[in-house]
Amino acid sequence: NAGVTQTPKFQVLKTGQSMTLQCAQDMNHNSMYWYRQDPGMGLRLIYYSASEGTTDKGEVPNGYNVSRLNKREFSLRLESAAPSQTSVYFCASSEVSGSLGGEQFFGPGTRLTVL
Amino acid sequence: GENVEQHPSTLSVQEGDSAVIKCTYSDSASNYFPWYKQELGKRPQLIIDIRSNVGEKKDQRIAVTLNKTAKHFSLHITETQPEDSAVYFCAASGAGSYQLTFGKGTKLSVIP
Repeated sequence: NAGVTQTPKFQVLKTGQSMTLQCAQDMNHNSMYWYRQDPGMGLRLIYYSASEGTTDKGEVPNGYNVSRLNKREFSLRLESAAPSQTSVYFCASSEVSGSLGGEQFFGPGTRLTVL
Repeated sequence: GENVEQHPSTLSVQEGDSAVIKCTYSDSASNYFPWYKQELGKRPQLIIDIRSNVGEKKDQRIAVTLNKTAKHFSLHITETQPEDSAVYFCAASGAGSYQLTFGKGTKLSVIP
């Protein structure tokens, strides 16, 4: 099992460009998440999908959109990248979500730089 | 929403000593509290978790304690080893919530 995979691993964008970060999991998990990690800020939730067919905003959703393409895949899109979106992005998945106590399994991360 | 505060932000200990990291949460309805470890350049991984109906949980050299009245929980690592050096994150999830709220992390350095 590959677990949670993310593409690309690294990306450099210019301000105003768009891109989509891809995430896939092969653990048959119901819930998927997108986080951003900035120095000294911990992991902040951007969007999540509690189950296939649903998506909801997290703590920092502005400037992002998501698509739960099917049970396996959850993509994150930046429509018009800004320097403030320079960060490391992690995708995660879990069998159950939130207070139900499902362990979140993280992907390897995407390091994004916006110039 | 939930707010999680984590202290200290950095912690250095001698190999073999104990390390304690503390977190407080704001939502009294929160009922699930995991701890994640992130080694340099790697992804976060769950190391231990606790539910609100349990006061303490141990797994070899690591333990977590929960004080619901005070709304705080702590990670204890005994007999620290150099491989324990990493950033540790606490998190909390409220009853009925689909989300985890993470603390800002503690960078633990174990000095050989």
